[in-house]
Amino acid sequence: AQRVTQPEKLLSVFKGAPVELKCNYSYSGSPELFWYVQYSRQRLQLLLRHISRESIKGFTADLNKGETSFHLKKPFAQEEDSAMYYCALSDSWGKLQFGAGTQVVVTP
Amino acid sequence: DAGITQSPRHKVTETGTPVTLRCHQTENHRYMYWYRQDPGHGLRLIHYSYGVKDTDKGEVSDGYSVSRSKTEDFLLTLESATSSQTSVYFCAIRGTEKYNEQFFGPGTRLTVL
Repeated sequence: AQRVTQPEKLLSVFKGAPVELKCNYSYSGSPELFWYVQYSRQRLQLLLRHISRESIKGFTADLNKGETSFHLKKPFAQEEDSAMYYCALSDSWGKLQFGAGTQVVVTP
Repeated sequence: DAGITQSPRHKVTETGTPVTLRCHQTENHRYMYWYRQDPGHGLRLIHYSYGVKDTDKGEVSDGYSVSRSKTEDFLLTLESATSSQTSVYFCAIRGTEKYNEQFFGPGTRLTVL
């Protein structure tokens, strides 16, 4: 069965410290993975897609098929990074399965 | 924002009443989706559409129906609202058919008393 697990509900970090959000998945096919961010009471915004291997707002994520992980990382957290982050897995029909989300709080 | 709007943005209703939420897009996207967002569950797919009059169920479709009579509009109906349907509802479109990334509307906050 398709599943996305984000083990941390809340991640509290200091400004300037590194931050890593964990995402593990289970999927029998070739996965297509995304990270979405939701700032307070706003719409979800696409942050990263694994296919393009790009860096957005200093965030990167690497797909590790051996460990079935797609962890999100940023070397130096900023206060504006405080938000809810969702990892999502797409099936072959384009339907997204979301993790439960990780709330990131960056304190000065 | 990929030209996606949702209406109403907020609604309070009573148990047993019918409710219809509207998602409107301006860019002629083929695929549209309805999700509900609940703490501890992330977003869960309710229904989706892959064209006019072509719809299918998602993970949590019980108690919901959808219709898509025009490309630009995707309606979500709660036939008889229950308190368990209190949630934030998001509509999404698939941006391209090459990649499966989706773009989301602003959401509708629904409270069922």
